[in-house]
Amino acid sequence: AQTVTQSQPEMSVQEAETVTLSCTYDTSENNYYLFWYKQPPSRQMILVIRQEAYKQQNATENRFSVNFQKAAKSFSLKISDSQLGDTAMYFCAFMRKSGGSNYKLTFGKGTLLTVNP
Amino acid sequence: DTAVSQTPKYLVTQMGNDKSIKCEQNLGHDTMYWYKQDSKKFLKIMFSYNNKELIINETVPNRFSPKSPDKAHLNLHINSLELGDSAVYFCASSQDFNEQYFGPGTRLTVT
Repeated sequence: AQTVTQSQPEMSVQEAETVTLSCTYDTSENNYYLFWYKQPPSRQMILVIRQEAYKQQNATENRFSVNFQKAAKSFSLKISDSQLGDTAMYFCAFMRKSGGSNYKLTFGKGTLLTVNP
Repeated sequence: DTAVSQTPKYLVTQMGNDKSIKCEQNLGHDTMYWYKQDSKKFLKIMFSYNNKELIINETVPNRFSPKSPDKAHLNLHINSLELGDSAVYFCASSQDFNEQYFGPGTRLTVT
């Protein structure tokens, strides 16, 4: 079974600064996907970024980028130029690529990020 | 247009009642899911359907019964509600290994 660990229950950052959220995972799979989802106070789950394990290049989406270390099973999220709207719970998630139509996401426990003005 | 919709968004009911939550997606996706988010915000898969076929059933009590009348709909029926069923239930959909799109969630409160 896969497990996803987010070791920082809460973090805070000043507006316009950079913050990194950590995530580690445990799997015996070789092909898989990793995701960061954001859940603001509105409760809506929003995809932030996606990484395919076979791709060595780290994914980026505007101010969001990841540091994917496959050997270390680490998948951290860096948010640059933090904005007040980035305040949310951030979930790291794992999806294995094998197993027929089994596309379930296994989530970490989340990191509550607060961006301060 | 809402991609994944759920009704109702809030549901308050008493122990022992039976209730249903409906989910619809207009994205043409083949796979739909139900996730449960507990009071500590932990999200866990409950069920997954692919083209109306049950793919995942993650040790959920028999009181929970998903039904997929077609691939655009996945409903969740819960019998004999218990206090511990209080949570936010999210429906989601995806096409293969791509992004899962989540509905707005249904906050269920059992009193």
